[in-house]
Amino acid sequence: NAGVTQTPKFQVLKTGQSMTLQCAQDMNHEYMSWYRQDPGMGLRLIHYSVGAGITDQGEVPNGYNVSRSTTEDFPLRLLSAAPSQTSVYFCASSMDGNQPQHFGDGTRLSIL
Amino acid sequence: GQNIDQPTEMTATEGAIVQINCTYQTSGFNGLFWYQQHAGEAPTFLSYNVLDGLEEKGRFSSFLSRSKGYSYLLLKELQMKDSASYLCAVRPPNTGFQKLVFGTGTRLLVSP
Repeated sequence: NAGVTQTPKFQVLKTGQSMTLQCAQDMNHEYMSWYRQDPGMGLRLIHYSVGAGITDQGEVPNGYNVSRSTTEDFPLRLLSAAPSQTSVYFCASSMDGNQPQHFGDGTRLSIL
Repeated sequence: GQNIDQPTEMTATEGAIVQINCTYQTSGFNGLFWYQQHAGEAPTFLSYNVLDGLEEKGRFSSFLSRSKGYSYLLLKELQMKDSASYLCAVRPPNTGFQKLVFGTGTRLLVSP
């Protein structure tokens, strides 16, 4: 099994550009989440989904959109990139709230 | 909201035992997770405690006291490869237990 696959692994953007970070899982998990990780801040939840068609905000949702049209995919869209969004982004999935989350390898995003 | 506190950094010697503490303040509780994260990599699941007491898994054990809002991760027979960050995370009740909130992590350095 591939598990959780994130693309791209690295990306450099200019301020104001938009882009979509892709996340796909092949474990038929209902729960999917996006986190960002910054030095000294730990993992912070951006958006999450408990099933296809259902999404909700996490701790730091501003500047990001998500959609969940299928169980497998949970893309994260940056609407207008800002330097403050420079971070490492992790996607994770789990069967339900009581199961451990499986993380993708992360996307390292730099915004100039 | 909820606060999750962990020491920022700890050091230990190969072969020793180390205890990493995690305290949290939340009005309810639905289990506590521990994850390991090596530098530049994704977090990986270590343990999940939902009831009070000690859960043992090889060299790693995790303890939970819900009444005290306290957990610890115990690592025995430390190896160099145990140098990593250790993250604790809880699902607070005010989110329907659907959001996973992480502490900032404890960076463990194991020396020869």
